[in-house]
Amino acid sequence: EVQLVESGGDLVQPGGSLRLSCAASGFTFSSHSMNWVRQAPGKGLEWVSYISTSGSTIYYADSVKGRFTISRDNAENSLYLQVSSLRAEDTAVYYCARNLHGDYVVDYWGQGTLVTVSS
Amino acid sequence: EIVMTQSPATLSVSPGERVTLSCRASQSVSSNLAWYQQKPGQAPRLLVYGASTRATGIPARFSGSGSGTVFTLTISSLQSEDSAVYYCQQYTNWRGTFGQGTKVEIK
Repeated sequence: EVQLVESGGDLVQPGGSLRLSCAASGFTFSSHSMNWVRQAPGKGLEWVSYISTSGSTIYYADSVKGRFTISRDNAENSLYLQVSSLRAEDTAVYYCARNLHGDYVVDYWGQGTLVTVSS
Repeated sequence: EIVMTQSPATLSVSPGERVTLSCRASQSVSSNLAWYQQKPGQAPRLLVYGASTRATGIPARFSGSGSGTVFTLTISSLQSEDSAVYYCQQYTNWRGTFGQGTKVEIK
C-alpha cells in the first residue's frame, strides 16, 4: 500500500523557517517524481514544487522561488521541503504528492502537514 | 501559465441524479487533464487522468471526457458519499495548475 506521511509543520513567526519531511513507503520511491502542493485554509490547491526521480531537475512556483528548497533522499525514501522567509500567505496544509510513473499527474497524496505563519 | 476555470462553483443534487461538472483551460492541454475529489479534512484523491481514464479503484459511475480546452466529469448516479469538492488539473508539464473547484452537495 502506498503511504506518504508528512511531518514538520508548526506555528512559526513571519520570517521564520521550517523543514517539512515526507516519508514514503509501499512503492519504489526512486522511480517516481514528487511534488509539494499546498492548500490555504478554505482555499483551493496550489502546486509548490517538483523534483525529478534523481533530484537533478527541480522547479518552483513563482510565489516560493528563492525561499523554498525541495530535496529528496532516495536511500531513505524521503522527500523534504525547506521553507524559509515565511510570510502569512504561506499558511497552508502542505501535501507531499507522488507522480504517476513517467508522468506529471499526481496519483497519491499524503495527509498533509499544517504550516501556520503568524506573530 | 495555463488557467483552469471550473463551473459551477456549487451544485446541489439529489441522490441518484446525474451530475455534470465542467472544466475549461485557457489554452489546449491535449488530454493532460485530471480530476480529483476532496472531502473535508482529507487529502485529494485522483479520480480520472488522461481526461478519461479512471484511476485504480474508482467506481464506474465516475467518467471523464473532453480534450483540448473543454472537459467534463460526470457522476452517473450521485451517491451520498460523493459529497465533496472536485478539482480539475492540467498537467502538460511539471507545473500543473488546478481549477478553483466545484462543491457538490447532496439535497
